[in-house]
Amino acid sequence: DTAVSQTPKYLVTQMGNDKSIKCEQNLGHDTMYWYKQDSKKFLKIMFSYNNKELIINETVPNRFSPKSPDKAHLNLHINSLELGDSAVYFCASSQERYRGKSTDTQYFGPGTRLTVL
Amino acid sequence: DAKTTQPPSMDCAEGRAANLPCNHSTISGNEYVYWYRQIHSQGPQYIIHGLKNNETNEMASLIITEDRKSSTLILPHATLRDTAVYYCIVRSAYSGAGSYQLTFGKGTKLSVIP
Repeated sequence: DTAVSQTPKYLVTQMGNDKSIKCEQNLGHDTMYWYKQDSKKFLKIMFSYNNKELIINETVPNRFSPKSPDKAHLNLHINSLELGDSAVYFCASSQERYRGKSTDTQYFGPGTRLTVL
Repeated sequence: DAKTTQPPSMDCAEGRAANLPCNHSTISGNEYVYWYRQIHSQGPQYIIHGLKNNETNEMASLIITEDRKSSTLILPHATLRDTAVYYCIVRSAYSGAGSYQLTFGKGTKLSVIP
């Protein structure tokens, strides 16, 4: 069984469109993340949710809006897509809890390659 | 910014031990050293982590110097499937806003050669 899954795996779309990427984890973890890996292969955190609450929101345009319907899902919605949004987006999860000792590892999904034309 | 320094690339012969160094001279007392790797086009994969003692698991060994300013990841018998980018990451042991995320640097691209 896949621990962290993302759909779709590939997404090709036109500038200005709105798109969503879905993420689900079946590990029972409390915390989920979105990372972006650009063309230079740098991986950067975008958002972190703990038990459906936003914990981390790095400097990301407000066109990006994460949504967590329950703690097993963290979807990423992107409005008005731009060329610079082309990247691979990775979802991850871990068993960390807010305001507790955090040494648990993160499990990453397979990634979604977004191409904006 | 990443708090670690790694060589950009290394080669290793198949079947030999791969020793990947990492400098983290500004590490603080409550920060762990984590290692992840990313095989081409896949999501990062956890390998091992440690605080000050050496650690070993089924994938690798982690040797941390006594002053904790550097560490070495050892893959004892490298295979072609170990070809990947290896990331050394320093991370706080205690949560609070901002401590959960992993801050990835450029990593070391390890090429295992037949």
